[in-house]
Amino acid sequence: KQEVTQIPAALSVPEGENLVLNCSFTDSAIYNLQWFRQDPGKGLTSLLLIQSSQREQTSGRLNASLDKSSGRSTLYIAASQPGDSATYLCAADSGNTPLVFGKGTRLSVIA
Amino acid sequence: NAGVTQTPKFRILKIGQSMTLQCTQDMNHNYMYWYRQDPGMGLKLIYYSVGAGITDKGEVPNGYNVSRSTTEDFPLRLELAAPSQTSVYFCASSYSSSYNEQFFGPGTRLTVL
Repeated sequence: KQEVTQIPAALSVPEGENLVLNCSFTDSAIYNLQWFRQDPGKGLTSLLLIQSSQREQTSGRLNASLDKSSGRSTLYIAASQPGDSATYLCAADSGNTPLVFGKGTRLSVIA
Repeated sequence: NAGVTQTPKFRILKIGQSMTLQCTQDMNHNYMYWYRQDPGMGLKLIYYSVGAGITDKGEVPNGYNVSRSTTEDFPLRLELAAPSQTSVYFCASSYSSSYNEQFFGPGTRLTVL
């Protein structure tokens, strides 16, 4: 059974810092790894999806990487801004099985 | 293109009451999902559907029912509300399982007293 872990649960950084959020998964036979952002009291917004054949995806200041052999994905945020403050969740799926979510990392970017 | 919409946004129920949470998507997605999110517990899948007329249980289906009569709609039914069902409920959809980028609705915050 796939399990997804995100450490740390919370992270606080000063504005302008580059940062990395970590996601680990137990079953390397994944099809997709997806990163989401959730603002307080809101739904989830899809940020990036990495298919199993890919090693990374980029969108603006965000870069997500996938290493299936080590069971890890990272979300890199460059030049962080206070508007990046949110909870970031990763989720993995193994084809015909539903997404399995981590519990998220709550990011605070301090001005 | 509204994406995934959910109604209501908030609801308070008494123990034993029933209600239906509505979910509609206008992206012609085949797959639809219902999750619940409890504080500190992440998202747990309740039910999902791979197309009209087809539904399947997720991780926490007890106390809930679903139907999928059309591609667009995927309502979630609570028959006998219990305090343990106090949660935030999210509906999501995706085009297929092979490219499973999921799009979420804004959520329904349900309190059972």
